Amino acid sequence: QVHLVQSGAEVKKPGASVKVSCKTSGYTFTSYDINWVRQAAGQGLEWMGWMDPKSGETDSAQKFQGRVTFSRDISEDTAYMELNSLRSEDTAVYYCARDRYSGNGMEFWGQGSLVIVSS
Amino acid sequence: AIRMTQSPSSFSASIGDTVTITCRASQDIRSYLAWYQQKPGKAPNLLIYSASTLQSGVPSRFSGSGSGTDFTLTISRLQSEDSATYYCQQYYSNPRVFGPGTKVDF
Repeated sequence: QVHLVQSGAEVKKPGASVKVSCKTSGYTFTSYDINWVRQAAGQGLEWMGWMDPKSGETDSAQKFQGRVTFSRDISEDTAYMELNSLRSEDTAVYYCARDRYSGNGMEFWGQGSLVIVSS
Repeated sequence: AIRMTQSPSSFSASIGDTVTITCRASQDIRSYLAWYQQKPGKAPNLLIYSASTLQSGVPSRFSGSGSGTDFTLTISRLQSEDSATYYCQQYYSNPRVFGPGTKVDF
């Protein structure tokens, strides 16, 4: 079965960086794109960006450009999302999600990683 | 960026009801639309993709329709486990914006 297992909760100070991992299994890592989505408490879903694990190509929502980096380790079937210059508004649950074939929706999701930004 | 709206934002239903949620895109997205269900404390679950194709394993009481800018999610014979928040999302172009969500409860 397909699984996406994310790293644990983090508490960071404003201005710091956080790197969330998404360990995949049960499929060929380089065959499906990975998205990153976040959700603040009581709020809706916010798409942050996307990565093609095969090529390493990425794209991010304009709101995060210059502050977010998507990367991967093919040998470990793992995707990463790093967010810099954290502020309190970045406190949220961060999800990785694997696309269906041809990108028709996000079919498999990680369990979410809580990131708390607080001084 | 394409903007997505949903209506209603929330409503209270009864078991056995048929419920319709509307999603509107600010520009033509053809059929590049997905619907997700999210329960509290859980990751979203893909229900529908390509506007009307039921994801494997999703009960047939869920259905989607529409193309262009106007879309609907219909839940027939509502069951207690359908209490959740439902989101539409366009994937016609980046950023793949989600709608604000529709909370369905009893």
